[in-house]
Amino acid sequence: EIVMTQSPATLSVSPGERATLSCRASQSVSSNLAWYQQKPGQAPRLLIYGASTRATGIPARFSGSGSGTEFTLTISSLQSEDFAVYYCQQYNNWPPNTFGQGTKLEIK
Amino acid sequence: QVQLVQSGSELKKPGASVKVSCKASGYTFTSYAMNWVRQAPGQGLEWMGWINTNTGNPTYAQGFTGRFVFSLDTSVSTAYLQISSLKAEDTAVYYCARDGVAAAGTIMGFDYWGQGTLVTVSS
Repeated sequence: EIVMTQSPATLSVSPGERATLSCRASQSVSSNLAWYQQKPGQAPRLLIYGASTRATGIPARFSGSGSGTEFTLTISSLQSEDFAVYYCQQYNNWPPNTFGQGTKLEIK
Repeated sequence: QVQLVQSGSELKKPGASVKVSCKASGYTFTSYAMNWVRQAPGQGLEWMGWINTNTGNPTYAQGFTGRFVFSLDTSVSTAYLQISSLKAEDTAVYYCARDGVAAAGTIMGFDYWGQGTLVTVSS
């Protein structure tokens, strides 16, 4: 089973600044990686798939990069609505579709 | 528009069973696989498995065999999750989530999610 490790567990950033979140796979997942955003009391929302393609309706300030085992989600200029928990998920070698443990993005 | 609407919260006693529904609308139900994801209180997302909505064939992740059953009623575009012999540790929010398929036919993660169903197991 592929293990997905996200870092940091918590990231404190000021509004308007850039946030960089990392996700590492225990073995190559090619570009078959997705990022999700989850706000309290809500279902996760797909942000990025294929490691770098924004899902429909996702603002351009969200970008994804990487391939193989190292991936990054960058939010270029944080808005108040961006403070949430972010999960990566690999769908290259499944089952199982494994999620990372999440990064909580909080207001500094 | 695509929607996945799940049944409401449940409070069950240990040993009981529960059946969670996920009603799909806005697309052809049998064209997209359906996944189930568990989120225990304060914890992350855990993939439970998926069901082929065309054949009805389920696949369960490790740790979700035996007491967990995925099923369908394609006549009403609904997927079901049944959990039997409930334990306190089954207390969680359960989500259904559709397998997304990009225009090129490639998988794109889970593009639509239900709102979640809280199952609480307590005596």
